[in-house]
Amino acid sequence: QVQLVQSGAEVKKPGASVKVSCKVSGYTLTELSMHWVRQAPGKGLEWMGGFDPEDGETIYAQKFQGRVTMTEDTSTDTAYMELSSLRSEDTAVYYCATAINPVIGELGAFDIWGQGTMVTVSS
Amino acid sequence: DIQMTQSPSSVSASVGDRVTITCRASQGISSWLAWYQQKPGKAPKLLIYAASSLQSGVPSRFSGSGSGTDFTLTISSLQPEDFATYYCQQANSFPSWTFGQGTKVEIK
Repeated sequence: QVQLVQSGAEVKKPGASVKVSCKVSGYTLTELSMHWVRQAPGKGLEWMGGFDPEDGETIYAQKFQGRVTMTEDTSTDTAYMELSSLRSEDTAVYYCATAINPVIGELGAFDIWGQGTMVTVSS
Repeated sequence: DIQMTQSPSSVSASVGDRVTITCRASQGISSWLAWYQQKPGKAPKLLIYAASSLQSGVPSRFSGSGSGTDFTLTISSLQPEDFATYYCQQANSFPSWTFGQGTKVEIK
């Protein structure tokens, strides 16, 4: 049974960076295309970026380009999302998400989600 | 970016009611649409992918339809556990996937 287990809540000051982890169990990270989605308090879902298996590259939403870096450590099956130059508007729950059903993955949907990591940006 | 507009933003309904939620894309997305259910404090759960394919384990009272720009999620007979917020997501234009703003289904 695949699970995505994320790191704990973070509190950061404006201008700082945060790095959230997402550990995969029940699968190996190389079998999955990991994506990151965030949700500000009381707001909707926002896709930040993810791995494109066709190109073999990680693609970022234009809004976050230059501020976000998504990496993977295949030796520990852990994915990371680092967001820099934090501002109050970045206060949100950050989710890692993927698809273990390859058909679902090819269709751009996510059938497995992490539990979420709350990141609070406050001075 | 393709904009996804859901309606209504909230709906009050009773157990046993039929509930329909609409999602409209700002441009055609074929059938590259998914629906999710989210309960407070929880991660989203996939209900429907490819506009009308029911995810494994999801009750058959959930159904999806549509293609192009107009899509619907229907709950044929609302159950107590269905009170939640529902989101549509388009995956037609990588790397610019977008979600609708959500529809909250509340108890009447």
